Amino acid sequence: NAGVMQNPRHLVRRRGQEARLRCSPVKGHSHVYWYRQLPEEGLKFMVYLQKENIIDESGMPKERFSAEFPKEGPSILRIQQVVRGDSAAYFCASSSGTGDGYTFGSGTRLTVV
Amino acid sequence: GENVEQHPSTLSVQEGDSAVIKCTYSDSASNYFPWYKQELGKGPQLIIDIRSNVGEKKDQRIAVTLNKTAKHFSLHITETQPEDSAVYFCAATDSWGKLQFGAGTQVVVTP
Repeated sequence: NAGVMQNPRHLVRRRGQEARLRCSPVKGHSHVYWYRQLPEEGLKFMVYLQKENIIDESGMPKERFSAEFPKEGPSILRIQQVVRGDSAAYFCASSSGTGDGYTFGSGTRLTVV
Repeated sequence: GENVEQHPSTLSVQEGDSAVIKCTYSDSASNYFPWYKQELGKGPQLIIDIRSNVGEKKDQRIAVTLNKTAKHFSLHITETQPEDSAVYFCAATDSWGKLQFGAGTQVVVTP
C-alpha cells in the first residue's frame, strides 16, 4: 500500500529551463494538492485538482506555472522558464475526499542555478 | 478565505516536560483540524486530527483540543522525548475543503 510517490526527489535546473514535478497519489485517492515550502517556512497552497479538473488554483502564480491530473497517470506540476525564486520544496498530497486527512509525499526539492 | 495563525514559532522544552502549541482560525465553517509533524528533509506526517463535533481527542502522549466558539485549537504533547523534536503544523479546512496551514512551530526537546 504505497503512499504518495513524488519524483524526482531532487531537481536542479538552470534559469530559463523547464521543471516537471510528478506525483502519484495514494491508490484510490482522487484528490491531489500541491504545496510549496520555502526554507524554514510553512506550507503554501498552490493548486487543488481532481481527475481531469482543476478545482482551485488560487495559490498558483498566474504565469509560468501549470498543473494537471490526467485520467491516467500522475499529477504533473510544470514550471516554465524557472527563476532563482522558484527554488523550494514542492510537496504533493492526496486524499479520498474533501475534509479528509491528507497523505503527503516526500517532496521534490527544486534548485535553480 | 481561511486564515490560520500558529504560536509559538519556536518552542524549547526539557525532556519529560509538556509542550503546547496553539492555533486560531478565521472561517467558522471549518470542520476538520489536523496536525502534522515534519522532520528535516521529509514530508509532513499526520499525527492527530479532530473534527468539529468533538472537543478533545487523545492518542497516547498526544492530545488535541478544539474550542469552536473561540475558533482555536491546541496540540498537547506530554512527557516529551528527543524524537519529538520536529516542526509541527496545524491546519484547518477552508470553504473548498482544502487545508490551510499555520506557519509551523519548531519544537526542540533537550535532554
